[in-house]
Amino acid sequence: NAGVTQTPKFRVLKTGQSMTLLCAQDMNHEYMYWYRQDPGMGLRLIHYSVGEGTTAKGEVPDGYNVSRLKKQNFLLGLESAAPSQTSVYFCASSYGITDYGYTFGSGTRLTVV
Amino acid sequence: GENVEQHPSTLSVQEGDSAVIKCTYSDSASNYFPWYKQELGKRPQLIIDIRSNVGEKKDQRIAVTLNKTAKHFSLHITETQPEDSAVYFCAASRAALNAGGTSYGKLTFGQGTILTVHP
Repeated sequence: NAGVTQTPKFRVLKTGQSMTLLCAQDMNHEYMYWYRQDPGMGLRLIHYSVGEGTTAKGEVPDGYNVSRLKKQNFLLGLESAAPSQTSVYFCASSYGITDYGYTFGSGTRLTVV
Repeated sequence: GENVEQHPSTLSVQEGDSAVIKCTYSDSASNYFPWYKQELGKRPQLIIDIRSNVGEKKDQRIAVTLNKTAKHFSLHITETQPEDSAVYFCAASRAALNAGGTSYGKLTFGQGTILTVHP
């Protein structure tokens, strides 16, 4: 039981490049979320999903796209990376938020130069 | 949408002292308030939570209080230890039951508090 696994753990991109971050969970959770963490700003919700095939925008969705083709996977894409997207990205999943809260992945540190 | 403000941004205490972190929220319909602890380089982990039908909850050295009228909630850590040093985040959510009986909600986090406990 691996919990929530994020790949890659680190990445450096050049401005304009694209990439996909993968989040995989093996807990059969319905709900999955992508957050970004920046100093002094806490964790801000980018996109989320309430089940396979569904996605919705969070607080800071611009410049990102997501897909959830399989229940266990939630992908975050950056089509044309910008320096403002330099951040630590956390994926989280949840069975029932008031029962067990979020289970977070270990994070992806992304630098855009 | 929900807005959560957290204070202070940094807190330094001596080992054995108490630490208090406060948060306010804007959405009066929010009904679930968890606290997460994030050690350096690690992922956030849930340490305690409270629902809107409860005013206080304790778990050993940590406690959370909620004032729904004023829309604020606080984390209290007593007898602090160096291993309590971490970043603490409060969060709020309007949690609802779905047809399957599980509770759905998305968390809005505060800005975080860096707690340092000096030996």
